[in-house]
Amino acid sequence: ELKVEQNPLFLSMQEGKNYTIYCNYSTTSDRLYWYRQDPGKSLESLFVLLSNGAVKQEGRLMASLDTKARLSTLHITAAVHDLSATYFCAVVPPGTASKLTFGTGTRLQVTL
Amino acid sequence: DTAVSQTPKYLVTQMGNDKSIKCEQNLGHDTMYWYKQDSKKFLKIMFSYNNKELIINETVPNRFSPKSPDKAHLNLHINSLELGDSAVYFCASSLSGVGEQYFGPGTRLTVT
Repeated sequence: ELKVEQNPLFLSMQEGKNYTIYCNYSTTSDRLYWYRQDPGKSLESLFVLLSNGAVKQEGRLMASLDTKARLSTLHITAAVHDLSATYFCAVVPPGTASKLTFGTGTRLQVTL
Repeated sequence: DTAVSQTPKYLVTQMGNDKSIKCEQNLGHDTMYWYKQDSKKFLKIMFSYNNKELIINETVPNRFSPKSPDKAHLNLHINSLELGDSAVYFCASSLSGVGEQYFGPGTRLTVT
């Protein structure tokens, strides 16, 4: 059974600092997604990573994928308060018709 | 012109009742999903339909029955509600089961 683990589960960081969230998964995967969820809100798609070595950047967030290590990272550069949210990675195993398996989520709190 | 909509947004009901949640998407997608997010924010897929055909049916009590009258709609009916059914239920849709999934706003179900 596919397991997807994220760490840390909770991250409190100061504005202006850098940090990385890690997403490990236990079997091979066709693709990996990163989502953001604000409290009481829906999930917003941030990145789709399709191949080994894929790197995508949007603003202060950069996601990468290492399929050999079964690891994805979400790097936050110079954090701002607006980035406070819960971040989920989700993995699709091959041949499972888009059956997203979500990680545990990382709750990010950016303080002034 | 919301892309994926759900009704109701909140649902409070007593144990033993039967309730339905409705989902509609206007993105022209052919695959729709139901996810459950528990109190610890863990997200798990329940069902998926592609062109009105059930393609993912996770280990979910048979009190839960999805129905897809057409590609744009996916409803979830729950019989004999239990306290443990309290959660946020998200509908999502994608194109051809391989595209990015777009999530609805969620339905917060509280069973008392």
